[in-house]
Amino acid sequence: EVQLVESGGGLVQPGQSLRISCATSGFTFGDYGMTWVRQAPGKGLEWVSFIRSKVYSGKTEYAASVEGRFTISRDDSKSIAYLQMNSLKIEDTAVYYCARNPHLYCSSTNCFSDSWGQGTLVTVSS
Amino acid sequence: DIQMTQSPATLSASVGDRVTITCRASQTVSNWLAWYQQKPGKAPKLLIYKASTLESGVPSRFSGSGSGTEFTLTVSSLQPDDSATYYCQHYNSYKVTFGQGTRLEIK
Repeated sequence: EVQLVESGGGLVQPGQSLRISCATSGFTFGDYGMTWVRQAPGKGLEWVSFIRSKVYSGKTEYAASVEGRFTISRDDSKSIAYLQMNSLKIEDTAVYYCARNPHLYCSSTNCFSDSWGQGTLVTVSS
Repeated sequence: DIQMTQSPATLSASVGDRVTITCRASQTVSNWLAWYQQKPGKAPKLLIYKASTLESGVPSRFSGSGSGTEFTLTVSSLQPDDSATYYCQHYNSYKVTFGQGTRLEIK
């Protein structure tokens, strides 16, 4: 069974940093891209970042709202994806979901997500 | 960035009805479009990818169509479990965007 489990969310002050994790199981992690999507309270889905599998270059993409502040990474030996969030702002408050991307069915630039975690809440407040 | 606009924002229909949600892109996304269903407090669930390919395990009453800039998600015979918010998402550029969502209510 495919599983994605986010952790590391919590309450932080504006300007601080936080790293959230996505532990996976049930599939060959290295064969898939990984994505982070967030959802502010009562709002819609916002794509945050995407990292390709190493077979597909391992390159990363970011939404304009987080570029330069957030860094996505992956540890294929542990089957874990990370999102390092620096210089956090109040508007970064959201549930952060990690999701899996099946490269085989993606476009040449990005992808849809076929399995999702349950999310971890990040609250930025003074 | 490519903007995705869904309509209607809210839809109310009865069990057994056929319902259609529309998603329009600000520029062509070819057929690189997905649809998701999200219930309150839960993660999104993939329904459709590549505009019309049904994800494994998704009931056949869901279908997708369209290409270029206009897409539709159709539920052929609405069931009580279909009450949810539906999102489209393009993946035709380096930066992905979602539609704002359509809330589907069962009368």
